[in-house]
Amino acid sequence: GVTQSPTHLIKTRGQQVTLRCSPKSGHDTVSWYQQALGQGPQFIFQYYEEEERQRGNFPDRFSGHQFPNYSSELNVNALLLGDSALYLCASQGFGEKLFFGSGTQLSVL
Amino acid sequence: GENVEQHPSTLSVQEGDSAVIKCTYSDSASNYFPWYKQELGKRPQLIIDIRSNVGEKKDQRIAVTLNKTAKHFSLHITETQPEDSAVYFCAASIGGVIYNQGGKLIFGQGTELSVKP
Repeated sequence: GVTQSPTHLIKTRGQQVTLRCSPKSGHDTVSWYQQALGQGPQFIFQYYEEEERQRGNFPDRFSGHQFPNYSSELNVNALLLGDSALYLCASQGFGEKLFFGSGTQLSVL
Repeated sequence: GENVEQHPSTLSVQEGDSAVIKCTYSDSASNYFPWYKQELGKRPQLIIDIRSNVGEKKDQRIAVTLNKTAKHFSLHITETQPEDSAVYFCAASIGGVIYNQGGKLIFGQGTELSVKP
């Protein structure tokens, strides 16, 4: 399935964080979502062929990368308290449906 | 902009009863509507989905209906069981699962379903 690391992370305001995602075998497109407590996931961006293809309403502090093996990273700079959330990675392949990873729980203190 | 409204936010039913969750979407270009079940501390799991060229789809105890004119879609769970207790999310997407056009799902706010034995 979709693998994310780490599972939990605690950071301080102003710090930077990198989250990682390995897509399901055969999938080449990776999307990232932010899920605040008690809310539905919100789309951050999508990567395909190592390029950002779509982006949601998130500031430039949120950036990403996709590697040739289709894995992806999400980077968040200058962390704010409001960035505390579950970060979900989802992957899909040609004609396939979206599958989510278990997420990284980020706490910003 | 794109928006999905979901109701109710909480739903409590007795085991064996039916449960219905309703969603409304704003963008008429939306053409793919998945439903996800999320248990506490776990990933969202796709339970059923429907495309805009279909009005209804059923999978055992779960069914989804879509009214494109009204921009409404609903999840129906029959013969509910305690293990159905979870948070359910509806979502809408433009482009659906077409290669490289899917993935941007707009989610509703979620419905916490509680099935009492």
